[in-house]
Amino acid sequence: QVQLVQSGSELKEPGASVKVSCKASGYTFTAFALNWLRQAPGQGLEWMGWINPNTGNPTYAQGFTGRVVLSLDTSVSTAYLQISSLKAEDTAVYYCTRDAFSSCSKTNCFDYWGQGTLITVSS
Amino acid sequence: QSVLTQAPSASGTPGQRVTISCSRSSSNIGSIPVTWYQQVPGTAPKLLIYNNNQRPSGVPDRFSGSKSGTSASLAISGLQSEDEADYFCAIWDDSLNDWVFGGGTKLTVL
Repeated sequence: QVQLVQSGSELKEPGASVKVSCKASGYTFTAFALNWLRQAPGQGLEWMGWINPNTGNPTYAQGFTGRVVLSLDTSVSTAYLQISSLKAEDTAVYYCTRDAFSSCSKTNCFDYWGQGTLITVSS
Repeated sequence: QSVLTQAPSASGTPGQRVTISCSRSSSNIGSIPVTWYQQVPGTAPKLLIYNNNQRPSGVPDRFSGSKSGTSASLAISGLQSEDEADYFCAIWDDSLNDWVFGGGTKLTVL
């Protein structure tokens, strides 16, 4: 079965960096784009960007250029989200999710999600 | 900037039909496909509806999506206690090159 398993929660100080992993299994890793979203406590969902698993080319949402880096290692079917210069407002649950374009009538939709990784930024 | 507006809360009793709406501020939703996600607190979102009105395998037909003008709607019939969750609408906005999510509607089953 399809699974996206993310790394565990982290507590970071302001100014530090964090790298979250998302290991995929149960499907051909290169067949589906991987997206990253975040959800601040009590808030809605915010899209951060996506990465093409064939080319490794990332695309970032407007508010996430500069401090965010998306990458992947196809040899271990794993995508990564790295955030640098962390701020308190980066405290959120971060999700990786698969875009099932081909399964959603050629429209974009997120059909499988990781369990989420809580990143807490606090001194 | 494109914004999707949802009522913050909705409620219903078991067996009832409830509707959750999602309206777009900037213009007609028109031909933009709308997706809906269900999120039980403390868990990851789950895809409920894609392409306005299509259900992924495993989603009960009690859930249905529709769209008209500047709004999209999610209807839940035969409300059950396990439907208590947050519901988010979302669209891909080509003009922004960004996914836009509604703020979410918290559904309470009384």
